[in-house]
Amino acid sequence: GNSVTQMEGPVTLSEEAFLTINCTYTATGYPSLFWYVQYPGEGLQLLLKATKADDKGSNKGFEATYRKETTSFHLEKGSVQVSDSAVYFCALAPNTGNQFYFGTGTSLTVIP
Amino acid sequence: EAQVTQNPRYLITVTGKKLTVTCSQNMNHEYMSWYRQDPGLGLRQIYYSMNVEVTDKGDVPEGYKVSRKEKRNFPLILESPSPNQTSLYFCASSPGLAGGPVEQFFGPGTRLTVL
Repeated sequence: GNSVTQMEGPVTLSEEAFLTINCTYTATGYPSLFWYVQYPGEGLQLLLKATKADDKGSNKGFEATYRKETTSFHLEKGSVQVSDSAVYFCALAPNTGNQFYFGTGTSLTVIP
Repeated sequence: EAQVTQNPRYLITVTGKKLTVTCSQNMNHEYMSWYRQDPGLGLRQIYYSMNVEVTDKGDVPEGYKVSRKEKRNFPLILESPSPNQTSLYFCASSPGLAGGPVEQFFGPGTRLTVL
Protein backbone atom coordinates (compact mmCIF):
# COMPACT_ATOMS: atom_id res chain seq x y z
CA GLY A 1 0.00 0.00 0.00
CA ASN A 2 0.86 3.67 0.07
CA SER A 3 2.00 5.47 3.20
CA VAL A 4 4.20 8.26 4.49
CA THR A 5 6.23 8.22 7.69
CA GLN A 6 7.55 11.43 9.21
CA MET A 7 9.85 12.00 12.12
CA GLU A 8 8.08 12.62 15.39
CA GLY A 9 7.90 16.11 16.73
CA PRO A 10 7.74 18.60 18.14
CA VAL A 11 11.03 20.09 17.03
CA THR A 12 12.41 23.20 18.73
CA LEU A 13 15.37 25.05 17.23
CA SER A 14 17.16 28.31 17.78
CA GLU A 15 17.09 30.89 15.02
CA GLU A 16 19.72 30.24 12.31
CA ALA A 17 20.01 26.56 13.21
CA PHE A 18 20.01 23.82 10.55
CA LEU A 19 16.76 21.97 10.05
CA THR A 20 16.13 18.42 8.90
CA ILE A 21 12.74 16.76 8.99
CA ASN A 22 12.84 13.15 7.89
CA CYS A 23 10.25 11.63 5.58
CA THR A 24 10.15 8.13 4.14
CA TYR A 25 7.48 6.60 2.00
CA THR A 26 6.02 3.35 0.76
CA ALA A 27 4.38 3.37 -2.63
CA THR A 28 3.73 1.31 -5.67
CA GLY A 29 5.27 2.67 -8.82
CA TYR A 30 6.77 6.14 -8.96
CA PRO A 31 4.86 8.63 -6.84
CA SER A 32 5.11 12.40 -6.76
CA LEU A 33 6.27 13.78 -3.42
CA PHE A 34 5.31 16.99 -1.65
CA TRP A 35 6.04 19.05 1.41
CA TYR A 36 3.18 21.19 2.72
CA VAL A 37 3.35 23.79 5.50
CA GLN A 38 0.55 24.76 7.86
CA TYR A 39 0.87 28.03 9.75
CA PRO A 40 -1.20 28.44 12.92
CA GLY A 41 -4.91 28.75 12.19
CA GLU A 42 -4.51 28.28 8.44
CA GLY A 43 -4.91 25.61 5.80
CA LEU A 44 -2.03 23.78 4.20
CA GLN A 45 0.14 25.43 1.56
CA LEU A 46 2.44 23.70 -0.87
CA LEU A 47 6.07 24.31 0.08
CA LEU A 48 7.83 22.24 -2.58
CA LYS A 49 7.45 19.14 -4.70
CA ALA A 50 9.36 16.59 -6.78
CA THR A 51 7.89 14.33 -9.41
CA LYS A 52 10.68 11.88 -10.23
CA ALA A 53 13.75 10.28 -8.73
CA ASP A 54 16.70 12.60 -8.04
CA ASP A 55 14.57 15.72 -8.51
CA LYS A 56 15.23 18.44 -5.96
CA GLY A 57 12.35 20.65 -4.91
CA SER A 58 13.19 24.01 -3.39
CA ASN A 59 11.34 27.08 -2.12
CA LYS A 60 11.94 29.81 0.48
CA GLY A 61 15.33 28.29 1.42
CA PHE A 62 13.86 24.83 1.97
CA GLU A 63 15.03 21.86 -0.08
CA ALA A 64 14.15 18.20 -0.45
CA THR A 65 15.56 15.56 -2.80
CA TYR A 66 13.57 12.60 -4.09
CA ARG A 67 15.68 9.56 -3.22
CA LYS A 68 14.21 6.43 -4.72
CA GLU A 69 16.97 4.13 -3.42
CA THR A 70 16.17 5.07 0.17
CA THR A 71 12.48 5.94 -0.45
CA SER A 72 13.04 9.26 1.27
CA PHE A 73 12.22 12.93 0.80
CA HIS A 74 13.82 14.72 3.76
CA LEU A 75 13.17 18.43 4.21
CA GLU A 76 16.17 20.68 4.95
CA LYS A 77 16.86 24.34 5.55
CA GLY A 78 20.25 25.79 6.31
CA SER A 79 19.18 28.62 8.61
CA VAL A 80 15.70 28.70 10.11
CA GLN A 81 13.85 31.84 11.13
CA VAL A 82 11.16 32.47 13.72
CA SER A 83 8.70 32.85 10.85
CA ASP A 84 9.32 29.20 9.85
CA SER A 85 7.48 28.03 12.95
CA ALA A 86 4.68 25.85 11.61
CA VAL A 87 3.59 22.25 11.08
CA TYR A 88 5.19 20.50 8.10
CA PHE A 89 3.54 17.61 6.26
CA CYS A 90 5.15 15.21 3.85
CA ALA A 91 2.76 13.79 1.24
CA LEU A 92 2.71 11.51 -1.75
CA ALA A 93 0.49 11.02 -4.76
CA PRO A 94 0.89 7.69 -6.56
CA ASN A 95 1.24 7.81 -10.31
CA THR A 96 -1.72 5.45 -10.51
CA GLY A 97 -4.92 6.09 -8.61
CA ASN A 98 -6.36 9.36 -7.48
CA GLN A 99 -5.60 9.64 -3.79
CA PHE A 100 -3.12 11.66 -1.78
CA TYR A 101 -1.42 10.35 1.35
CA PHE A 102 -0.08 12.55 4.13
CA GLY A 103 2.27 11.98 7.00
CA THR A 104 1.34 12.83 10.57
CA GLY A 105 2.99 16.24 10.47
CA THR A 106 6.00 17.64 12.35
CA SER A 107 5.59 20.74 14.47
CA LEU A 108 8.53 23.14 14.31
CA THR A 109 9.09 25.99 16.75
CA VAL A 110 11.96 28.39 16.16
CA ILE A 111 13.00 30.52 19.12
CA PRO A 112 14.90 33.80 18.84
CA GLU B 1 -8.45 35.97 -5.75
CA ALA B 2 -8.06 32.25 -6.37
CA GLN B 3 -9.22 30.41 -3.31
CA VAL B 4 -11.04 27.54 -1.66
CA THR B 5 -13.69 28.64 0.83
CA GLN B 6 -15.34 26.58 3.54
CA ASN B 7 -18.31 27.33 5.74
CA PRO B 8 -18.77 27.36 8.59
CA ARG B 9 -15.29 27.81 10.04
CA TYR B 10 -16.41 26.65 13.47
CA LEU B 11 -19.34 24.46 14.42
CA ILE B 12 -20.52 22.91 17.66
CA THR B 13 -23.39 20.47 17.34
CA VAL B 14 -24.98 17.52 19.11
CA THR B 15 -24.99 13.84 18.29
CA GLY B 16 -27.41 12.89 15.54
CA LYS B 17 -28.16 16.36 14.19
CA LYS B 18 -27.52 16.38 10.45
CA LEU B 19 -25.08 18.98 9.20
CA THR B 20 -23.44 20.12 5.99
CA VAL B 21 -20.08 21.79 5.55
CA THR B 22 -19.85 23.65 2.28
CA CYS B 23 -16.78 23.92 0.08
CA SER B 24 -16.39 26.07 -2.99
CA GLN B 25 -13.46 26.82 -5.32
CA ASN B 26 -13.16 29.53 -7.96
CA MET B 27 -10.26 28.05 -9.94
CA ASN B 28 -12.26 25.76 -12.25
CA HIS B 29 -10.48 22.76 -10.76
CA GLU B 30 -11.64 19.28 -11.67
CA TYR B 31 -10.39 17.48 -8.56
CA MET B 32 -11.78 18.17 -5.09
CA SER B 33 -11.27 16.37 -1.84
CA TRP B 34 -12.14 16.34 1.86
CA TYR B 35 -9.70 15.54 4.67
CA ARG B 36 -9.89 15.35 8.40
CA GLN B 37 -6.93 16.27 10.59
CA ASP B 38 -6.51 14.63 13.98
CA PRO B 39 -3.60 14.84 16.43
CA GLY B 40 -1.06 12.12 15.81
CA LEU B 41 -2.84 10.94 12.67
CA GLY B 42 -2.13 13.75 10.24
CA LEU B 43 -4.51 14.29 7.35
CA ARG B 44 -6.69 11.46 6.20
CA GLN B 45 -8.70 11.57 3.01
CA ILE B 46 -12.45 11.14 3.44
CA TYR B 47 -13.80 11.45 -0.11
CA TYR B 48 -12.60 12.84 -3.38
CA SER B 49 -14.11 13.76 -6.71
CA MET B 50 -12.46 13.65 -10.10
CA ASN B 51 -15.17 15.72 -11.74
CA VAL B 52 -18.88 16.54 -11.67
CA GLU B 53 -20.99 13.55 -10.63
CA VAL B 54 -17.86 11.43 -9.97
CA THR B 55 -17.02 10.74 -6.33
CA ASP B 56 -14.94 8.06 -4.63
CA LYS B 57 -14.16 6.96 -1.10
CA GLY B 58 -10.89 7.83 0.52
CA ASP B 59 -9.42 6.10 3.54
CA VAL B 60 -12.03 7.12 6.14
CA PRO B 61 -15.44 7.54 4.44
CA GLU B 62 -17.64 5.98 7.14
CA GLY B 63 -20.25 8.37 8.46
CA TYR B 64 -19.82 10.91 5.66
CA LYS B 65 -21.49 11.68 2.35
CA VAL B 66 -20.53 14.03 -0.44
CA SER B 67 -22.01 15.26 -3.69
CA ARG B 68 -20.60 16.99 -6.76
CA LYS B 69 -23.47 18.48 -8.72
CA GLU B 70 -21.46 21.49 -9.86
CA LYS B 71 -17.78 21.79 -10.63
CA ARG B 72 -17.11 24.50 -8.05
CA ASN B 73 -18.93 22.98 -5.04
CA PHE B 74 -18.22 19.87 -3.00
CA PRO B 75 -20.25 19.76 0.24
CA LEU B 76 -19.52 17.32 3.05
CA ILE B 77 -22.59 15.89 4.74
CA LEU B 78 -22.76 14.23 8.13
CA GLU B 79 -26.18 12.58 8.30
CA SER B 80 -25.91 11.58 11.97
CA PRO B 81 -22.78 13.05 13.54
CA SER B 82 -21.11 11.27 16.42
CA PRO B 83 -18.44 12.48 18.89
CA ASN B 84 -15.70 10.56 17.04
CA GLN B 85 -16.26 12.91 14.11
CA THR B 86 -15.02 15.82 16.18
CA SER B 87 -12.09 17.01 14.11
CA LEU B 88 -10.60 19.70 11.90
CA TYR B 89 -11.82 19.33 8.32
CA PHE B 90 -10.14 20.62 5.18
CA CYS B 91 -11.43 20.87 1.67
CA ALA B 92 -8.91 20.94 -1.18
CA SER B 93 -8.95 21.29 -4.93
CA SER B 94 -6.53 20.54 -7.73
CA PRO B 95 -6.47 21.19 -11.48
CA GLY B 96 -6.74 17.47 -12.10
CA LEU B 97 -4.57 14.41 -12.32
CA ALA B 98 -4.60 13.71 -16.07
CA GLY B 99 -1.06 14.95 -16.48
CA GLY B 100 0.17 13.47 -13.23
CA PRO B 101 -0.37 14.55 -9.64
CA VAL B 102 -0.21 18.28 -9.04
CA GLU B 103 -0.49 20.39 -5.95
CA GLN B 104 -3.70 20.78 -4.04
CA PHE B 105 -5.05 24.09 -2.80
CA PHE B 106 -6.53 23.94 0.67
CA GLY B 107 -9.35 25.81 2.33
CA PRO B 108 -8.92 27.42 5.77
CA GLY B 109 -10.48 24.51 7.65
CA THR B 110 -13.66 23.84 9.63
CA ARG B 111 -13.37 23.03 13.31
CA LEU B 112 -16.24 20.65 14.18
CA THR B 113 -17.17 19.60 17.69
CA VAL B 114 -19.86 16.95 18.19
CA LEU B 115 -21.19 16.75 21.77
